[in-house]
Amino acid sequence: DARVTQTPRDKVTEMGQEVTMRCQPILGHNTVFWYRQTMMQGLELLAYFRNRAPLDDSGMPKDRFSAEMPDATLATLKIQPSEPRDSAVYFCASGLRQGEAFFGQGTRLTVV
Amino acid sequence: AQTVTQSQPEMSVQEAETVTLSCTYDTSESNYYLFWYKQPPSRQMILVIRQEAYKQQNATENRFSVNFQKAAKSFSLKISDSQLGDTAMYFCATAQGGSEKLVFGKGTKLTVNP
Repeated sequence: DARVTQTPRDKVTEMGQEVTMRCQPILGHNTVFWYRQTMMQGLELLAYFRNRAPLDDSGMPKDRFSAEMPDATLATLKIQPSEPRDSAVYFCASGLRQGEAFFGQGTRLTVV
Repeated sequence: AQTVTQSQPEMSVQEAETVTLSCTYDTSESNYYLFWYKQPPSRQMILVIRQEAYKQQNATENRFSVNFQKAAKSFSLKISDSQLGDTAMYFCATAQGGSEKLVFGKGTKLTVNP
């Protein structure tokens, strides 16, 4: 059963700490997305990659966020330093067909 | 820029009945795609149905079907024979051709009552 796997499922951290979220996309999918979901803003695209190359990260705060794909089976999203306003659910998704995205279960991040 | 509007923050329906969720969108593109995603309490985002704008035929997936009105930029979701497991947030989304980026609406919370 192919699925997108995200770790950790939940993370509580103190303000100022580094946070790393990991994602294993579905094997064979060439597009990987990072979305953030909050009550106020809803679902927002942070960044996405095609064939491991970053295509758009305009939704991501550049000073503290970074997204990478070290290889085709791993995508990472880092926040350094974390702030309370970063508290949200972060979703990774992967896809193959135009505009199609299969989501992982998300990482719920709480920064205190 | 693309926008998606879901005008119904919450809806409820009795089990076995039919319910329709509304969605309107705005885009200047001629080539685009439309989607409905379901998010149950488990938090997982699940793709329910996908529609290509150039196709006039409405997409159908089992009990889920859409009413795609291109001129009106409307993309409603009909759920037939509602089941308790259909209780979830439903998000309408669009992606323009040539880009995989999804733009989501704010969602509609659907409750199916026994």
